[in-house]
Amino acid sequence: SQKIEQNSEALNIQEGKTATLTCNYTNYSPAYLQWYRQDPGRGPVFLLLIRENEKEKRKERLKVTFDTTLKQSLFHITASQPADSATYLCALDPDAGNMLTFGGGTRLMVKP
Amino acid sequence: EAQVTQNPRYLITVTGKKLTVTCSQNMNHEYMSWYRQDPGLGLRQIYYSMNVEVTDKGDVPEGYKVSRKEKRNFPLILESPSPNQTSLYFCASSAQGAGSKNIQYFGAGTRLSVL
Repeated sequence: SQKIEQNSEALNIQEGKTATLTCNYTNYSPAYLQWYRQDPGRGPVFLLLIRENEKEKRKERLKVTFDTTLKQSLFHITASQPADSATYLCALDPDAGNMLTFGGGTRLMVKP
Repeated sequence: EAQVTQNPRYLITVTGKKLTVTCSQNMNHEYMSWYRQDPGLGLRQIYYSMNVEVTDKGDVPEGYKVSRKEKRNFPLILESPSPNQTSLYFCASSAQGAGSKNIQYFGAGTRLSVL
């Protein structure tokens, strides 16, 4: 069966460091992979999307990589700030259609 | 302001008492869906709708109903709520068609407790 894995343990890092979050998947061939940010008690907010034929995408301090051979995406936040503390979700889309499947999310804590 | 609005934000009810959670979007999106979020299980899709009068089951549809009579509204109905439906619920919408990329816009969530 299809499976998406994100580290369920919280990631704690110091302000100014680079945070790296992992999204692994099995039995899946996504055409697109998306990353969302979710703050406590609020709905997820879209951050970045990367296509299967793209290896890397950047937006300000955010960088996403997509390795379809390893079946893995990495989400990086450079020069992290306490305001970056949140839960980050990856979501896989087989064909930009309707069934987006979400991972369980990884909570990031950036300490000042 | 583009948004997805859910009501109510918090709801406590008892087993068997029918309830409806409303969802409305002002972005003219064709696609709308409902998710539930539980600790350790992530976001799971309950139902989705590709357009007016078109709905389909997601991964966990049991115990839920939906309707899509208008493009902007997509209510979630629990005919006979049970304690295992205690959860955090999110409505989402997205544009369809070439170039839309299926980016989901979420509501603020409805926290439901069934006693």
